[in-house]
Amino acid sequence: QAVVTQEPSLTVSPGGTVTLTCDSTTGAVTSGHFPYWFQQKPGQAPRTLIYDTSNKHSWTPGRFSGSLLGGKAALTLSGAQPEDEAEYYCLLSYSGARVFGGGTKLTVL
Amino acid sequence: EVQLVQSGAEVKKPGESLKISCKGSGYSFTHYWIAWVRQTPAKGLEWMGIIYPGDSDTRYSPSFQGQVTISADKSISTAYLQWGSLKASDTAMYYCARAPGGDYGPDQWGQGTLVTVSS
Repeated sequence: QAVVTQEPSLTVSPGGTVTLTCDSTTGAVTSGHFPYWFQQKPGQAPRTLIYDTSNKHSWTPGRFSGSLLGGKAALTLSGAQPEDEAEYYCLLSYSGARVFGGGTKLTVL
Repeated sequence: EVQLVQSGAEVKKPGESLKISCKGSGYSFTHYWIAWVRQTPAKGLEWMGIIYPGDSDTRYSPSFQGQVTISADKSISTAYLQWGSLKASDTAMYYCARAPGGDYGPDQWGQGTLVTVSS
């Protein structure tokens, strides 16, 4: 089974920009992996931010964006806010099988 | 408003059976899939499987095939996750989540059900 890897932790300054990535042991991540991104704060359920690489839900703050970058899926946060401090997970699809990444703990400091 | 409301926390002993639930409201329950996701500190989020309540088409992740049973009762807009014989390693938070298709990820999530298995 594929393994999906993310940076274990990242730090961003308030108002700054940071990019989280999602990599696959099977090779380059493409739109065919239908990357998803989720945000989870302590004690809460995950919340879906991005689907199918770059699409946002109505509740997704505009400062979040999804893309493919250098063979990986990427989540970029532009203009970080204190409330963005959370764990972020990606999800990739492999011909229907779904695999989550290990998560990135994002600190806004 | 779309809501997925899960049943409450459970404390069970090894070998006992358990069925937890996820009730959908605010949308057409039979037109969306319901996924189940396990979360543990050690392994993070894990995709367990997904069901289409409209016809009970169910797809399990290989890691969970044979370990759990996913079902749904469309008459009461409720999906279920059940174990026949719990193990300590089943201790986890379990989330249900709505997905627009069988090959899609989730858009809306339930609040989670904490299952603790301990002798």
